Amino acid sequence: NAGVTQTPKFQVLKTGQSMTLQCAQDMNHEYMSWYRQDPGMGLRLIHYSVGAGITDQGEVPNGYNVSRSTTEDFPLRLLSAAPSQTSVYFCASSYSNRVYFGEGSWLTVV
Amino acid sequence: QKEVEQDPGPLSVPEGAIVSLNCTYSNSAFQYFMWYRQYSRKGPELLMYTYSSGNKEDGRFTAQVDKSSKYISLFIRDSQPSDSATYLCAMKVSDSSASKIIFGSGTRLSIRP
Repeated sequence: NAGVTQTPKFQVLKTGQSMTLQCAQDMNHEYMSWYRQDPGMGLRLIHYSVGAGITDQGEVPNGYNVSRSTTEDFPLRLLSAAPSQTSVYFCASSYSNRVYFGEGSWLTVV
Repeated sequence: QKEVEQDPGPLSVPEGAIVSLNCTYSNSAFQYFMWYRQYSRKGPELLMYTYSSGNKEDGRFTAQVDKSSKYISLFIRDSQPSDSATYLCAMKVSDSSASKIIFGSGTRLSIRP
């Protein structure tokens, strides 16, 4: 009964470092997405995917890359971390109007 | 102007009170409306979903949609300390999974015992 699993839960990065946030879902959903949540800004869509091999940009894609080689996995890569990318990141998996979120990844860039 | 506006609060009420949480929106194409509840250091979880104007009730929770005024509300009756969380409204144009969901910024609610 895992749902959406995100790792790591907490990470501190130095400016310029790269890293990958992992996301996996076991519900066989085609649609997956990544959001960031900042105070006063709500949830903003970074990238999304409508199925394996298909990805597209959301509202705030700059500085992030994604790939979708399997239905289950949707990793988010930070290419060269910047302090502006300090945020909480949520991976989500959707079917129709039901969106299932992971527990979140707290990222601090110093 | 944001597509979805939500009062950030925080809102603090005594246990047992009726709580009203509200959102306004500007895009008249929105047809599907949702409320998510987010506990501290957790991901949001779907609380209520509706696609028509009027009221939808689920236990102590009532979701209300007024499309003519572009206004949605969530009412919580007999509020409990366990209802303390951030509540996010969300909306989308169609019920397809690929239809993007636009979230409000969230209202932080605290229920005092």
